[in-house]
Amino acid sequence: DGGITQSPKYLFRKEGQNVTLSCEQNLNHDAMYWYRQDPGQGLRLIYYSQIVNDFQKGDIAEGYSVSREKKESFPLTVTSAQKNPTAFYLCASLRGIGGYGYTFGSGTRLTVV
Amino acid sequence: QQPVQSPQAVILREGEDAVINCSSSKALYSVHWYRQKHGEAPVFLMILLKGGEQKGHDKISASFNEKKQQSSLYLTASQLSYSGTYFCGTSGSARQLTFGSGTQLTVLP
Repeated sequence: DGGITQSPKYLFRKEGQNVTLSCEQNLNHDAMYWYRQDPGQGLRLIYYSQIVNDFQKGDIAEGYSVSREKKESFPLTVTSAQKNPTAFYLCASLRGIGGYGYTFGSGTRLTVV
Repeated sequence: QQPVQSPQAVILREGEDAVINCSSSKALYSVHWYRQKHGEAPVFLMILLKGGEQKGHDKISASFNEKKQQSSLYLTASQLSYSGTYFCGTSGSARQLTFGSGTQLTVLP
C-alpha cells in the first residue's frame, strides 16, 4: 500500500547536535510538507516543497533545513540553532490541487536531553 | 494568519450532535478538516473548495461560507470513535495549509 514513512518514531538529541528526520513517500505526490506540533497546539509549517530541487520556508523555518533531491524523499534537519526543538514532527504530501487532502506520516517525536 | 477554531473543547454523550467552527481573516481558496487521535497523525476528513457545495459522508458534514470566510463541521449522532482533536486547515492558494489550534472532542458512553 502507498503511504508516507517517517523515521525514527522517537529521537533524542543532545544540546548542540544536528539531527535528521526521514520522510519517504511512494504515492508519487509532487508536494511535500513538514509541520511541527507542540503539546495541545495546532500544526505549524516549517518547510514545503512543490517540486524536486525546490523548497520554500514556512512560518517557522529558523533552525531547520531541508533538501528535495528525489521526489520520494524530503528529509528535515533540526540544527543546533533551533533552541527549542522538542516537539512532534509530521511530514505530509499532497496529490494535487483541488479536492485532495494531505496524507500524513505517523510522525517523529523529538526530545532534547 | 492562523484560523480561529471554536469551541476549544466539547464533551458529548453518544448520540448527541456537535458543531465545530473555523474562521479566517483571509480570503480562502479551500478549507480542510482533519481528525487526530492522541499520539497519531491527523487523518483527512474532507475538503471544501471555493465555489463548492456543502460536503459530507455518513454522519459528518461541513459547510463553507466564502463571504464570511468561515467553515463549520457538523457531527451528527456522535459515536465513541469520533473522539479526538479536530483541526481545520485553510488555504489562500492551492497548496499550503495553515491550521487552527484544534477542538478537542470527547464522546462519552
